[in-house]
Amino acid sequence: GNSVTQMEGPVTLSEEAFLTINCTYTATGYPSLFWYVQYPGEGLQLLLKATKADDKGSNKGFEATYRKETTSFHLEKGSVQVSDSAVYFCALSALSGNTPLVFGKGTRLSVIA
Amino acid sequence: GAVVSQHPSRVICKSGTSVKIECRSLDFQATTMFWYRQFPKKSLMLMATSNEGSKATYEQGVEKDKFLINHASLTLSTLTVTSAHPEDSSFYICSAGPGTSGSGELFFGEGSRLTVL
Repeated sequence: GNSVTQMEGPVTLSEEAFLTINCTYTATGYPSLFWYVQYPGEGLQLLLKATKADDKGSNKGFEATYRKETTSFHLEKGSVQVSDSAVYFCALSALSGNTPLVFGKGTRLSVIA
Repeated sequence: GAVVSQHPSRVICKSGTSVKIECRSLDFQATTMFWYRQFPKKSLMLMATSNEGSKATYEQGVEKDKFLINHASLTLSTLTVTSAHPEDSSFYICSAGPGTSGSGELFFGEGSRLTVL
């Protein structure tokens, strides 16, 4: 079946450090890939997405590239801020239209000043 | 993007009572909505798929008589936790998508934190 594996947290970084959160997936066909962010006490917000191989999603300084050859969608940011502290979820959608997302377990990021 | 709203954001109830959580799509029609449950510091577990005008589809291990889902209109789905017990305390999140998005992107409500005393 479809699955998403992302690196275990928590991750603690100093402000302005470089961030990488690894995500790999298993899916049949050509899934769409997403990164969602959850700030403390809130629901999930879409951070970025990519719908086909070699697409790069980007938002708020975060980037992730859809790598079909390595079945990966690693999240990166060149310089993190304290306000980036949150839980990050990698997810996939195997079909277009209304199907539930398959989530990774989430990675908690703490950025300290 | 599309907006999904949940209410209430927080609810505290006594053991044995029932609690209703609403999920609304504010600017699109959602024939399908999804209900997730999130345990502390854990990922999201899909509980059920709510289908407008028909019965919900529950994931394995989810008690359909405990978690009643009603999707009476194209913009509203409700989750009722019946005879709630402390072990039902959790963060419940709904999601939906316009359906016309080829990417399968879903939008999430703000979540509802249930505490059963």
